[in-house]
Amino acid sequence: DGGITQSPKYLFRKEGQNVTLSCEQNLNHDAMYWYRQDPGQGLRLIYYSQIVNDFQKGDIAEGYSVSREKKESFPLTVTSAQKNPTAFYLCASSVTSGGFYNEQFFGPGTRLTVL
Amino acid sequence: GENVEQHPSTLSVQEGDSAVIKCTYSDSASNYFPWYKQELGKRPQLIIDIRSNVGEKKDQRIAVTLNKTAKHFSLHITETQPEDSAVYFCAAMLNRDDKIIFGKGTRLHILP
Repeated sequence: DGGITQSPKYLFRKEGQNVTLSCEQNLNHDAMYWYRQDPGQGLRLIYYSQIVNDFQKGDIAEGYSVSREKKESFPLTVTSAQKNPTAFYLCASSVTSGGFYNEQFFGPGTRLTVL
Repeated sequence: GENVEQHPSTLSVQEGDSAVIKCTYSDSASNYFPWYKQELGKRPQLIIDIRSNVGEKKDQRIAVTLNKTAKHFSLHITETQPEDSAVYFCAAMLNRDDKIIFGKGTRLHILP
């Protein structure tokens, strides 16, 4: 479990502010992902990246932005354009499809609350 | 794109009985189907997975079956124990884009 970390664990934001959630992994994985988890909604994909300096939108990318400047890091910015940002955010990483094994390893999550 | 439906959303079974969770997927090109377990307050963790060239896979008390023709797959837990209480997520993946689509989850309660 220690291979992928997220910070902070809890985050409070005022309306109109942008906030950045950190995700770091030392598993040498090429692919990284951001999910949003709401009660009864499962895990919904926000953004994912298969390689450094490249990323793709997931199903609910509006109001979010990401960067992938380093293999180990995939920060997520929740912008003021996200209408309902209060949620639990999970980061994950995996080997790319070039590998046979595609298990996603999840971080411990960040709970974001908008005040 | 891929869509994954999961049923039921909540399941209660008596300790020692079996539990079955079912999922369907829409994209016939999906070829990898993992199941994740998320205990309260913890991160999801892989418990079993199956690839499209296999019809069934078993690991101790858990098993997964895959019907490619019908595009559905199921998780079977036998001899359930209190520690099996958790939320279970099925998922489907197309290897060509490394994107996994999750079902909405099933909250499993094991009754004493």
